[in-house]
Order: sequence, then C-alpha cells, then structure tokens
Amino acid sequence: DSGVTQTPKHLITATGQRVTLRCSPRSGDLSVYWYQQSLDQGLQFLIQYYNGEERAKGNILERFSAQQFPDLHSELNLSSLELGDSALYFCASSVSSGSTDTQYFGPGTRLTVL
Amino acid sequence: GESVGLHLPTLSVQEGDNSIINCAYSNSASDYFIWYKQESGKGPQFIIDIRSNMDKRQGQRVTVLLNKTVKHLSLQIAATQPGDSAVYFCAENSFMGGGADGLTFGKGTHLIIQP
Repeated sequence: DSGVTQTPKHLITATGQRVTLRCSPRSGDLSVYWYQQSLDQGLQFLIQYYNGEERAKGNILERFSAQQFPDLHSELNLSSLELGDSALYFCASSVSSGSTDTQYFGPGTRLTVL
Repeated sequence: GESVGLHLPTLSVQEGDNSIINCAYSNSASDYFIWYKQESGKGPQFIIDIRSNMDKRQGQRVTVLLNKTVKHLSLQIAATQPGDSAVYFCAENSFMGGGADGLTFGKGTHLIIQP
C-alpha cells in the first residue's frame, strides 16, 4: 500500500458525459501528479500540482482539467468524454517538486466510456 | 519528443534464475531513472531508482545499472520468485523547468516466472 488513495475504483459512463476522479496523496506529500494508462499509449503524464498550484502539464487534453485543494487532495475532471478516454487513471504523490523526488502511485481509477 | 523504451515486451524465466530487464532512453539530459513494478489491477510500485551520477545501485534482490554512454538502463532481479511476475516499467524524470516534473515511461516488459 503506497498510502495514495483514489476514488472511485471503477467508473462507467457514456460519451459526452463529465466525471470527476479524486486522489488523496500520502500524508505529508505536497505534489500530486495525474497519469493516464491506455493500451495504445502506455503510461502518460497529464498534469502536476504542487501545494495547490499547477506546476507542469504533459499530454493533457483541453477537455480535461485538475485542481488541488487546500487539504492537498486533488481532483481530475474529464468532460465531453469520448470512447478513447477509456483508460486507467493514476494519481501519484511526492514529498515536494524536486526532480529526484520519488513518486508513489495510487491504485488507479478504471474509466469505461460506453 | 524524448522517449524511454524497452527492448523486449515479454521475458520468461525459470523460478530461481536471475532476470535482466533492459531499457533504452533517448534524452541525454535525463538525470533520474526509476524502475516500477505493476501487478495486474494495481498501480505502479516503486522498486529502485538511480541518479545519473551513479552507474550502479543495489536494493533487496534488485540491482539497477546505468550506462550513460549508450543511454541504457537495466534492472536485475536475483533469484526470481513467483511474486516477481508483473510488468516492469522504466521511467525517466523529465525536468520541464521551474521544478516541475512528469515521468516519461517506457512501454513495459512483462516478466513471466516459470515454475
């Protein structure tokens, strides 16, 4: 158990809908990262937040957004969902935002778009 | 863009043998490398890391080797056990400026342990 929690574990929705994924980092960690894992693209970095502020963007679509709240939990919002958005979404956390900080991953949310 | 890739998608070894999983990276500016293990239905689990100022690092039953000359990374697992069956990813830290970091992952190697 990494100490990172994610809810829900599974999510099934329809195209065009909007969903919110939630992540709680390990106690004491200030950075939260979101990753998408799909069969064709592998594990891809989406976005990073550090102490409530956005720090880096990766391959995140404009339909997707995230935020980190004062209690450091984070939410990833996915809107206008398409079939291709079906994937595993992982959250990771690290102590700070240093380039060599270990990122610990949560168990993921499996999103299925029908 | 820069990428991290793996040489083999599947590796099958006998229980008790040593396993070697390889990884090539292309960003010569990368300074931090990590190996993760992912079991079915779970998130990536940190195994071991290495910084670019080192060429070898050992953990419990695992060793990571870094060859910066040829941009190659390997994970050695000693005396593999059934519980080692998983997909192994190498990842590179991509420093994007301003202290922000997103990992770039390779495609993964599926390690299968034969009894």
